[in-house]
Amino acid sequence: ILNVEQSPQSLHVQEGDSTNFTCSFPSSNFYALHWYRWETAKSPEALFVMTLNGDEKKKGRISATLNTKEGYSYLYIKGSQPEDSATYLCAPAYSNSGYALNFGKGTSLLVTP
Amino acid sequence: NAGVTQTPKFQVLKTGQSMTLQCAQDMNHNSMYWYRQDPGMGLRLIYYSASEGTTDKGEVPNGYNVSRLNKREFSLRLESAAPSQTSVYFCASSGPYLASSNQPQHFGDGTRLSIL
Repeated sequence: ILNVEQSPQSLHVQEGDSTNFTCSFPSSNFYALHWYRWETAKSPEALFVMTLNGDEKKKGRISATLNTKEGYSYLYIKGSQPEDSATYLCAPAYSNSGYALNFGKGTSLLVTP
Repeated sequence: NAGVTQTPKFQVLKTGQSMTLQCAQDMNHNSMYWYRQDPGMGLRLIYYSASEGTTDKGEVPNGYNVSRLNKREFSLRLESAAPSQTSVYFCASSGPYLASSNQPQHFGDGTRLSIL
């Protein structure tokens, strides 16, 4: 069982605030890092898949960075909106464990008007 | 677009009963997965199928069996249900390339299973 840590566990911000979360994971045998957005009563939805050290990806107001050498990824949300309220999951995959994803417990974000 | 379809959406079983959760995808994906989601535990991989004809255990396979019926369908079977298997089960798929962990997974809507 791999130790994938996400922090903070939960976050409450006001509309318009920018925020960021952290995903920490073992760096040995790293293959890929996934970020998912999971709204209540829905299924997880893919945001980004990153593989290379230094990768940066952006989708609208959401962006992510990856450091494979030290084993962490940051997810940034610029100008949070109430519709950004969701749980954000990260999941690394490793070449020595069948490439399956190992999900963290997520960061729960609440954005209030 | 259907994507990943899971049936049933809800099910209540008694301890010892058996049932099969069905999953089908229409995206021509090679890889399919079964997860369970429990409060405070996050998503945990039960079994996965990297390609048609292959299946592998994930983190929590005990008490479950799977069948990759064809490229589209991947079923999860509980032979003798136990209360500890009360959970929400998600099926996912990714592809179309093999070793597709660098491609996003697409999830079904989940099956909420209660075992009394």
